[in-house]
Amino acid sequence: AQSVTQPDIHITVSEGASLELRCNYSYGATPYLFWYVQSPGQGLQLLLKYFSGDTLVQGIKGFEAEFKRSQSSFNLRKPSVHWSDAAEYFCAVGRGGSQGNLIFGKGTKLSVKP
Amino acid sequence: KAGVTQTPRYLIKTRGQQVTLSCSPISGHRSVSWYQQTPGQGLQFLFEYFSETQRNKGNFPGRFSGRQFSNSRSEMNVSTLELGDSALYLCASRWGGDSPLHFGNGTRLTVT
Repeated sequence: AQSVTQPDIHITVSEGASLELRCNYSYGATPYLFWYVQSPGQGLQLLLKYFSGDTLVQGIKGFEAEFKRSQSSFNLRKPSVHWSDAAEYFCAVGRGGSQGNLIFGKGTKLSVKP
Repeated sequence: KAGVTQTPRYLIKTRGQQVTLSCSPISGHRSVSWYQQTPGQGLQFLFEYFSETQRNKGNFPGRFSGRQFSNSRSEMNVSTLELGDSALYLCASRWGGDSPLHFGNGTRLTVT
């Protein structure tokens, strides 16, 4: 069965430090992969998506993610974190190749120290 | 362009009642998906509609139902509410093809 694992429940980084959030998925074929961010009381905002092609994907707010098929990973990175990046981050994979039916990881909560 | 609009934002209901949540997708989007978010189960897929047809349904009991209208607006209904139905219900829309989902801010349902 398809699944998404985000191993880190909570991460704290200092403002200005680099960030990497981990995501592992299980899916036999080339997956549709997404990263979303959720601020308290809000819905999900799409950061970036991978459908095919270049394995390094650029998103909004300075985020990027790299698709590594051999490791079944799609880790999210940002070179310098801002206090406004504090939020919860969700990795998702399209179920059965669907873009509307997503399987989400449990999320990683990011705290930013001044 | 306006985003996905969900109404109401907050709702308090009593066990056994039923509730209807509404979603207006982004203009031009033809597909609407619904998700339930709880602290214990996380984000779980409920249904997906495209051009008024249900394309996919998640693993939820029959008390959860939905529909999509010809203008792409969607509603979901939960009958015979249980305490465990307390959650944030998120609606998302997309144009179709390879376009990704765009989410609304959700409806927070509390069942007492």
